[in-house]
Amino acid sequence: TQLLEQSPQFLSIQEGENLTVYCNSSSVFSSLQWYRQEPGEGPVLLVTVVTGGEVKKLKRLTFQFGDARKDSSLHITAAQPGDTGLYLCAGPEIIQGAQKLVFGQGTRLTINP
Amino acid sequence: EAQVTQNPRYLITVTGKKLTVTCSQNMNHEYMSWYRQDPGLGLRQIYYSMNVEVTDKGDVPEGYKVSRKEKRNFPLILESPSPNQTSLYFCASSFLRQGAGSPLHFGNGTRLTVT
Repeated sequence: TQLLEQSPQFLSIQEGENLTVYCNSSSVFSSLQWYRQEPGEGPVLLVTVVTGGEVKKLKRLTFQFGDARKDSSLHITAAQPGDTGLYLCAGPEIIQGAQKLVFGQGTRLTINP
Repeated sequence: EAQVTQNPRYLITVTGKKLTVTCSQNMNHEYMSWYRQDPGLGLRQIYYSMNVEVTDKGDVPEGYKVSRKEKRNFPLILESPSPNQTSLYFCASSFLRQGAGSPLHFGNGTRLTVT
C-alpha cells in the first residue's frame, strides 16, 4: 500500500496569516485529491491535481502537485475562520484491478479570529 | 440533490448486539465504500464494492460484513459489535474510473459507541 504523510498534523494560526500544508509520499501517484472535512460532516472534495507541476487555485487556496507526482501542497492566503477544518489528501491506488483511494492522516487547521 | 445518505447519525449499543448502518446514494455510482475514522489513524477503508454483488475487503474488514444487492444501497453490518469498533463511520461512493481517481462523495457519518 502506498502511504501519504501529511504535515503538520495540527496547525493553529490567527486570522489573516498565510499557511502551507504538505502531503508527501515515496510513491508516484497518477493524481492527488484534497478534501476538507468540517465537524459533523463528511469530507468534501476541494480539488484534484493530475499533471506534475500543476497549480490550481480555489479563491484563496492554491494547490500544487509536485513535478515528480510524489507530493502536493496546499497554501492558504489570508486565512479566515471559515477555513477551519480537517484537510485530507488522497491518491488512487490500483490493486489487482481494483481502484481505491489512499488517505493521508490529515491536517487539522484552526483559524482563530 | 445528489447525496449519500447514512442512517443513523448516532448509535449507542452494547457489546454483541447486531446492528446495521444503512447507506444509500442517488448518483448511480458503481463504486461504494465504507471507512472508519479514528483520531490519529485517519480514514481506513473497511469494505468496498465495485458494482452489484461485487464486494471486497479493505484494510480493516475484521468484525464487519457488507452486501450490495442493489446499486444504490450498501449497508454495513456488525454481527457482534465490540468496544474497539467504537468509531466514526463514513460511507462514500463514486463513478468507477481507472487511473485518474474519481472523487468520492461522502455521507455525513455515523458515530457509533459500543459499551
